[in-house]
Amino acid sequence: GENVEQHPSTLSVQEGDSAVIKCTYSDSASNYFPWYKQELGKGPQLIIDIRSNVGEKKDQRIAVTLNKTAKHFSLHITETQPEDSAVYFCAPPAAGANNLFFGTGTRLTVIP
Amino acid sequence: NAGVTQTPKFQVLKTGQSMTLQCAQDMNHEYMSWYRQDPGMGLRLIHYSVGAGITDQGEVPNGYNVSRSTTEDFPLRLLSAAPSQTSVYFCASSRLQDAQGYEQYFGPGTRLTVT
Repeated sequence: GENVEQHPSTLSVQEGDSAVIKCTYSDSASNYFPWYKQELGKGPQLIIDIRSNVGEKKDQRIAVTLNKTAKHFSLHITETQPEDSAVYFCAPPAAGANNLFFGTGTRLTVIP
Repeated sequence: NAGVTQTPKFQVLKTGQSMTLQCAQDMNHEYMSWYRQDPGMGLRLIHYSVGAGITDQGEVPNGYNVSRSTTEDFPLRLLSAAPSQTSVYFCASSRLQDAQGYEQYFGPGTRLTVT
C-alpha cells in the first residue's frame, strides 16, 4: 500500500487569500492523484484529480500540481471563500488499484 | 440517480450485539468499498469488492464481514460489536480502475456508537 502524509493538519486563511496543502506518497508507480473535500456531516467528494502524465491541472479557483520525482502533489485554492471551509484529503491509490489511501486530512478555515 | 445510499444514519449498539450496515448504489459500478473514519484520522479501508461474488480485505478488516451478491448492494456486518468499532462508516463505489483512475462516490455515512 501507500504511505501518505499530508501537511498542514490545520490551516486558517483570510477570505480572498490563497491556501496550499501538500501530500507526499511512497509508491513511485502511482499514476493517479485525487483530492477530496469533506464537509461537516457528509461523505468525501472529489474536487480535482491529476494523472501522472500531467504536471498541473486547474479548475477555476482550484489547481493541483504534481512532482513525481519528489513524490508529492499539492492542492492550491485561490481567492478563498467561506464555503471552502472543510476538511481536505489527498487519497492516492496504489498503482492500478481502486483502493484509496487517505492522508490524515487538512482542516481549512476561511475567515470572513 | 440516488448515487450511494447508506442506512441507518445513526446507530447505538451494546457490546456484543451484531448488526448490518446497508449500502446500495444505482450507478452500475463494479467496485464498492467500506471505510471507517475516526477523529483526527483519514478514512481507512475495511473491505472492498470488485464485482458480485468477489470480496477482499482492506487495512482494518477484523470484526467485520461483507458479501456482494448483487452489483448494487454491499452490506457490512459487525459480528460482535466492540467499543473500538465506534466510528463513522462510509461506503463508496466507482468504476473499476484501469490505468486512468476514476472518481469514487461516497455515501453520507453511518455514525455508530458502541457502549
